[in-house]
Amino acid sequence: QVQLVESGGGVVQPGRSLRLSCAASGFTFNTYSMHWVRQAPGKGLEWVALISYDGINKYYPDSVKGRLTISRDNSKNTLYLQMNSLSADDTAVYYCARSSGYYGGFDNWGQGTLVTVSS
Amino acid sequence: DIQLTQSPSFLSASVGDRVTITCRASQGISNYLAWYQQAPGKAPKLLIYAASTLQSGVPSRFSGSGSGTEFTLTISSLQPEDFATYYCQQLNSYPLYTFGQGTKLEIK
Repeated sequence: QVQLVESGGGVVQPGRSLRLSCAASGFTFNTYSMHWVRQAPGKGLEWVALISYDGINKYYPDSVKGRLTISRDNSKNTLYLQMNSLSADDTAVYYCARSSGYYGGFDNWGQGTLVTVSS
Repeated sequence: DIQLTQSPSFLSASVGDRVTITCRASQGISNYLAWYQQAPGKAPKLLIYAASTLQSGVPSRFSGSGSGTEFTLTISSLQPEDFATYYCQQLNSYPLYTFGQGTKLEIK
């Protein structure tokens, strides 16, 4: 079965960096685009990054562009999110999710990893 | 950017009730809309895509309809496990996907 397991969250000081990982199993990782979605405490869902199956194309909303970088290592079946210049607004649970095609939604999600930005 | 507005934001209902949640888009998105369910402390779960196509394994009491700017998610007979928060998501403006603000469904 499809499994996505995030790791790397924790407490980090404002202005510092953090890298999240998402280990994928149970499917052919290198044939799927992948996303990161975050959810601030008590708030809704916010899409923050997309990477194509081959890692060539990457997309971000304006709210995170230039500070968050998505990448993948298909040899390790792992997705990453590099987060720089963190602020309190980045405090959230970060989920990785598998894309079910352009219009099919996000069909599998990890359990999430909590990032808390605080001094 | 395409905005999605869900109504109501909060909904109180009883087991066995039929409930409907509405999602309105700020511009036409054809049928490129998905619905998710999120139980407390859990990851979201895809229920419906392409506005009305049930994701594999999702109970048939869930249904979706609509196109253009107005969409609905209907649960025909609420079960205890259905009390959760529901989100719509537009998939029209690839890759800039956006979610609605959510509808929290609570037990009356």
